[in-house]
Amino acid sequence: QVQLVQSGAEVKKPGASVKVSCKVSGYTLTELSMHWVRQAPGKGLEWMGGFDPEDGETIYAQKFQGRVTMTEDTSTDTAYMELSSLRSEDTAVYYCATEWRTGTGRGDAFDIWGQGTMVTVSS
Amino acid sequence: QSALTQPASVSGSPGQSITISCTGTSSDVGGYNYVSWYQQHPGKAPKLMIYDVSNRPSGVSNRFSGSKSGNTASLTISGLQAEDEADYYCSSYTSSVVFGGGTKLTVL
Repeated sequence: QVQLVQSGAEVKKPGASVKVSCKVSGYTLTELSMHWVRQAPGKGLEWMGGFDPEDGETIYAQKFQGRVTMTEDTSTDTAYMELSSLRSEDTAVYYCATEWRTGTGRGDAFDIWGQGTMVTVSS
Repeated sequence: QSALTQPASVSGSPGQSITISCTGTSSDVGGYNYVSWYQQHPGKAPKLMIYDVSNRPSGVSNRFSGSKSGNTASLTISGLQAEDEADYYCSSYTSSVVFGGGTKLTVL
């Protein structure tokens, strides 16, 4: 069974950056298409970006382009999401998510989720 | 890409059926059979309930079903149970992913 284990809660000041990790167990990161989704308190899900297996590239939501970077360390099967120039509106739970068993080939049916990482941006 | 449109809330009594709609455009929901539905209980990560409009992942109850007509996808839950009370989100894929605003299901 694939599991995604995320790093712990973070508190950051406005203007700072945050880097959240997501470690894969039970599978190899290179065989998964990792995505990142966030959820502000009391709000809905918001897709930030992820790996497109059809193009072989990471795609970012337009809203976050220039501020977000998603990387992978295949030696440790760990994915990372770094968000810069933080503002109060970035306060949210950040999830990594991936498609494992659904087998669409597109990587967008997220049947495996991390436990979430709370990022608080406050002065 | 704009968020997909869902009703803010729906409710039903135990044993009844309810349907949650998810409206997009011909560029997303209407153009591809790439609609997924997620269930989220408070404080928990979302759970995939339906993918590719009407497919159920292994382990998901057959009380959950999905369909699509034109630019609107729908999630139907039959035989409502107390544990179905949760937030539900639809999503559509068109090289990027867009979510609906979410629907709170209350089991009366």
